[in-house]
Amino acid sequence: QKEVEQDPGPLSVPEGAIVSLNCTYSNSAFQYFMWYRQYSRKGPELLMYTYSSGNKEDGRFTAQVDKSSKYISLFIRDSQPSDSATYLCAMSNPGNQFYFGTGTSLTVIP
Amino acid sequence: GAVVSQHPSWVICKSGTSVKIECRSLDFQATTMFWYRQFPKQSLMLMATSNEGSKATYEQGVEKDKFLINHASLTLSTLTVTSAHPEDSSFYICSARDVLQETQYFGPGTRLLVL
Repeated sequence: QKEVEQDPGPLSVPEGAIVSLNCTYSNSAFQYFMWYRQYSRKGPELLMYTYSSGNKEDGRFTAQVDKSSKYISLFIRDSQPSDSATYLCAMSNPGNQFYFGTGTSLTVIP
Repeated sequence: GAVVSQHPSWVICKSGTSVKIECRSLDFQATTMFWYRQFPKQSLMLMATSNEGSKATYEQGVEKDKFLINHASLTLSTLTVTSAHPEDSSFYICSARDVLQETQYFGPGTRLLVL
């Protein structure tokens, strides 16, 4: 079983839709959870960072962590064509290595 | 957020030559940097973990004599692809670990084409 599972998509939504991206994981010791956005031919950009469980909101983006279910989510409200990218989840323990999902490809259609 | 730069952003070289890629953390000190490789439409593949002042730790299947990594300071790590061949053509991305936040910040990537 992989440490982190992420549906690769592709996911295609109309502009203005709410997008839900998800990852599951197997290691209950993970404490730090991240979402990255990667545009084509660019390095990943850190979007959201969460420590332990709970929600975090930043503009149109909301990250949720449910440690009891080993499940994290990223919600994008009022999606825009500029949100079209690959979204990677990542998680880690302090001082240990990072584990990345394979990425979900998102296209927002105008 | 923190900024990580990479240089060059793209390079074309002849088969058999060596190419050096630099990765710098611009506004924080990074005791640990990572080097990744990414093929088109595929996920990141960790090549090695680089710790300042010590030898890099390579992932299984990555040739350490071919991909030389040096992390001589808290803000600079370099990856040298030695005797490059066309199969080494790829997108190489570095990242730097921010120990205060326990997260990684990525560079913009270097596209390598070996002819």
